[in-house]
Amino acid sequence: EDQVTQSPEALRLQEGESSSLNCSYTVSGLRGLFWYRQDPGKGPEFLFTLYSAGEEKEKERLKATLTKKESFLHITAPKPEDSATYLCAVQAGNFNKFYFGSGTKLNVKP
Amino acid sequence: DSGVTQTPKHLITATGQRVTLRCSPRSGDLSVYWYQQSLDQGLQFLIHYYNGEERAKGNILERFSAQQFPDLHSELNLSSLELGDSALYFCASSVWGGNRETQYFGPGTRLLVL
Repeated sequence: EDQVTQSPEALRLQEGESSSLNCSYTVSGLRGLFWYRQDPGKGPEFLFTLYSAGEEKEKERLKATLTKKESFLHITAPKPEDSATYLCAVQAGNFNKFYFGSGTKLNVKP
Repeated sequence: DSGVTQTPKHLITATGQRVTLRCSPRSGDLSVYWYQQSLDQGLQFLIHYYNGEERAKGNILERFSAQQFPDLHSELNLSSLELGDSALYFCASSVWGGNRETQYFGPGTRLLVL
């Protein structure tokens, strides 16, 4: 069964304390892995798309990496404004379906 | 502001009714995706249209249908509504650049079925 699992469910960091979020997947025929940020009550904000193992993408304090089984979202020296829920999704299979993880709720304390 | 608009922002209706949600993609974007987000099931992919044609279908119920019109706006029709259909419904449009797809989400329509 195609599945996407994110961990941890919640993460509390002090400002400046770097960490990583994990997105592991078991799908047939990976087409792409997407990372989003979502603030409460708002639509997801697209962050990155990764397509092949070994690929890395960076944006400000965020860096996403991809292996054959999982993706990591590394947050370097986070700030309180990085607090949000981070979602990953996998596009896979012959029918290009999307499968979402349940998200990691990040709280960065000043 | 992503440039994707959704109407209405809020919708309250009764069980058994039918509603239509509308999405206008960013100018020039040919792809429209529909998603449902509920508290118990998280974000779920419903359907994807590209330039008027259905491209992919997720776990969309038979009571739900969608279409994309020649002007590229899309509508999601929900019929025989049930309490469990209460959720946030998002659409997103996307563009390909540098062999990479970027998605832009709308602000969502909050549906409450009473």
